Amino acid sequence: AQSVTQLDSQVPVFEEAPVELRCNYSSSVSVYLFWYVQYPNQGLQLLLKYLSGSTLVKGINGFEAEFNKSQTSFHLRKPSVHISDTAEYFCAVSESSGTYKYIFGTGTRLKVLA
Amino acid sequence: SAVISQKPSRDICQRGTSLTIQCQVDSQVTMMFWYRQQPGQSLTLIATANQGSEATYESGFVIDKFPISRPNLTFSTLTVSNMSPEDSSIYLCSPKSPPMNTEAFFGQGTRLTVV
Repeated sequence: AQSVTQLDSQVPVFEEAPVELRCNYSSSVSVYLFWYVQYPNQGLQLLLKYLSGSTLVKGINGFEAEFNKSQTSFHLRKPSVHISDTAEYFCAVSESSGTYKYIFGTGTRLKVLA
Repeated sequence: SAVISQKPSRDICQRGTSLTIQCQVDSQVTMMFWYRQQPGQSLTLIATANQGSEATYESGFVIDKFPISRPNLTFSTLTVSNMSPEDSSIYLCSPKSPPMNTEAFFGQGTRLTVV
């Protein structure tokens, strides 16, 4: 079985500062990794994904994440945040075979301060 | 990506009643996942539904409480039965087809409030 841990429930950061949202996972099988963003009262939007290949993946809105297999981590980063990045961010894993179901982390609320 | 339409978008229901949520996709999909997002929490998988077979439920979810139908490859319903205030959540469908190494897409969700 898989599990996902997002260590920070809330992350406040000032505008134009860098941010890192942490995600660790546990799995006995090969997985795909994802980050989704949810703006207030909206649905889930994919930020980026890791399927295979290069461990550094770039997504939309200037976000990037690095897959670290030895540390079983998939941390999300942005070098300079904007007020509009204020949202809930979810890390998710999916089996790369079999059921393909998604397991989501508990989410990190990013609050960008002016 | 597929266009996913969920109905209703929101509803307020009396406890003890049932609500059926519809999920329509503009293309045929192999699998349909149903998730629940309780207030301030993450998404939890309720069940996986494939066309022509019984849905597979996750631990803590049972068919009597959350019956699912999958009559064809573009449509599915989730019913929340005998509702209580604890069922107040956002319910989301997520269709998926091969190739399976792609991201999941989600409907906009059904925001359910049970009073």
